[in-house]
Amino acid sequence: DAGVTQSPTHLIKTRGQQVTLRCSPKSGHDTVSWYQQALGQGPQFIFQYYEEEERQRGNFPDRFSGHQYPNYSSELNVNALLLGDSALYLCASSASPSPYGYTFGSGTRLTVV
Amino acid sequence: QQQVKQSPQSLIVQKGGISIINCAYENTAFDYFPWYQQFPGKGPALLIAIRPDVSEKKEGRFTISFNKSAKQFSLHIMDSQPGDSATYFCAARLDSGTYKYIFGTGTRLKVLA
Repeated sequence: DAGVTQSPTHLIKTRGQQVTLRCSPKSGHDTVSWYQQALGQGPQFIFQYYEEEERQRGNFPDRFSGHQYPNYSSELNVNALLLGDSALYLCASSASPSPYGYTFGSGTRLTVV
Repeated sequence: QQQVKQSPQSLIVQKGGISIINCAYENTAFDYFPWYQQFPGKGPALLIAIRPDVSEKKEGRFTISFNKSAKQFSLHIMDSQPGDSATYFCAARLDSGTYKYIFGTGTRLKVLA
């Protein structure tokens, strides 16, 4: 049973460009959350998708947007990239309702130059 | 207050020793407290979790102690092994409806052989 799959694993983009990161949740999970993890820091909540809708959003600008498809897979889009957007982007899936917390993917390492 | 304060930032323990990591919170709306283990290049993996109506939970060598009145909880790793060397994050779920988690800043544990 595959866990959470994220692609690509690494990405280098130029400041001002746009990027799309992809996530396939664990089988049986219907909720996808995205987190940004800066080097040496804990993950920071970006937003969560459930039933193809953004259910909750963290303190991130509108440059960060997302989408969830009917098969529960999800995308994270970041526009007008800044150097400070360089981080590990983690996708986490869960089943609603679930007491067991998230299952995280291995992340996409985004470097903005 | 949605912060979760974690200490220490780093920890070095001899093989066979006890590793203790502490977290504190302010928001009484948090209703679930997991601990995650993260190895380099990987996403966080759920280690053990506790609800605030329980004072202690033990799974193998890992124990969570929870002090609701003090708003503190800690992870104890008994008989620490070199394979336990990783970064550990405490987290708190903001509410049971949306599964938004607030993470601590992490503790880098090194267990010496």
